[in-house]
Amino acid sequence: GENVEQHPSTLSVQEGDSAVIKCTYSDSASNYFPWYKQELGKRPQLIIDIRSNVGEKKDQRIAVTLNKTAKHFSLHITETQPEDSAVYFCAASSDDYKLSFGAGTTVTVRA
Amino acid sequence: NAGVTQTPKFQVLKTGQSMTLQCAQDMNHEYMSWYRQDPGMGLRLIHYSVGAGITDQGEVPNGYNVSRSTTEDFPLRLLSAAPSQTSVYFCASSYRADTEAFFGQGTRLTVV
Repeated sequence: GENVEQHPSTLSVQEGDSAVIKCTYSDSASNYFPWYKQELGKRPQLIIDIRSNVGEKKDQRIAVTLNKTAKHFSLHITETQPEDSAVYFCAASSDDYKLSFGAGTTVTVRA
Repeated sequence: NAGVTQTPKFQVLKTGQSMTLQCAQDMNHEYMSWYRQDPGMGLRLIHYSVGAGITDQGEVPNGYNVSRSTTEDFPLRLLSAAPSQTSVYFCASSYRADTEAFFGQGTRLTVV
């Protein structure tokens, strides 16, 4: 099955700086790569996703890049704000109907 | 439109007890799944369903059963609770596995 590894496990950034989270996947058939944000005590919510036919996608301060050859994808958050503090999960899915998640990255934005 | 409704929110069980976690969605999604969330281990897939009458095992299925008699409901049954099943459980639904998953509010289960 799919194995998704996520780094780093914790990330502390100064407000206004950028944050980058990296994930690798094992199944070359994976074709869908979402990112979820989970605030403390809340449910995970989708913030951005990318499909295998696209190399990069942006949504305001958030961007995701995908390198299919190297089997890795990354989340970039620019101009970080206190409300960006949360746990972020990457995930990967292929045609076997399973969505596999990384272990998560706890992001803390320091004021 | 309530989305994904999961009950209960909190539960304490004694070792060996059984219980059912309820999950219902009103978005007419075919794909539903159950995850458990443990510190440092992310969200691990327990069971999933691609439609009514169809279920399959995920990454950590042992000790859990599921059924999908309707499109809306996907209950998770713990047959004989063990302390290792202490976790936060999330139900999710989506149109397909490769579309946005909507999560329930979660169930914090403690087995003593």
